[in-house]
Amino acid sequence: DAGVTQSPTHLIKTRGQQVTLRCSPISGHKSVSWYQQVLGQGPQFIFQYYEKEERGRGNFPDRFSARQFPNYSSELNVNALLLGDSALYLCASSLEDSFLKQYFGPGTRLTVT
Amino acid sequence: SQQGEEDPQALSIQEGENATMNCSYKTSINNLQWYRQNSGRGLVHLILIRSNEREKHSGRLRVTLDTSKKSSSLLITASRAADTASYFCATDGRSGNTPLVFGKGTRLSVIA
Repeated sequence: DAGVTQSPTHLIKTRGQQVTLRCSPISGHKSVSWYQQVLGQGPQFIFQYYEKEERGRGNFPDRFSARQFPNYSSELNVNALLLGDSALYLCASSLEDSFLKQYFGPGTRLTVT
Repeated sequence: SQQGEEDPQALSIQEGENATMNCSYKTSINNLQWYRQNSGRGLVHLILIRSNEREKHSGRLRVTLDTSKKSSSLLITASRAADTASYFCATDGRSGNTPLVFGKGTRLSVIA
């Protein structure tokens, strides 16, 4: 079975622009979570979706939004990009509505210039 | 904010030696998990230990949990060059389905 996939792999954007990142969970997994990992830090929780509903939100501004589609794939949108949004964005999926044993994708490296 | 703090921040050992990493956290937890990350890529789940467990083994990995000291340790025995990676502990809270909170990680280098 394929693991969690994310696209694109790398992305360069300019301050003020908007970006959409995509994630496909492992087949059968209904929960998707998004994390931001700044260089030298651990991942920081942004959102969790389960069965297309937002189940949790981390301490991120409203410029960050996400959604989950009927096939359980997910998109993360970030508006009005700031230099500080430069990071590795990780998507993780799990079978249930929990954070136990999450399977992570390879991430999308976003650089904001 | 990051709940877990791994110690040391970086560790360099020779192949065949054991590597020990520690994690301290601040609030009560349900579970503590350890993850590995290779070169800024995705994280791989290594092991989960529940708050009512004191020790767990998985292959060359041994994890201990001391809830009274709010700390955990990860021991990798007989390390290999392929173990070179960053290791993170992640905790979840006592109440309900709370998101994982990761530490800053320990960068392990295993020299062949």
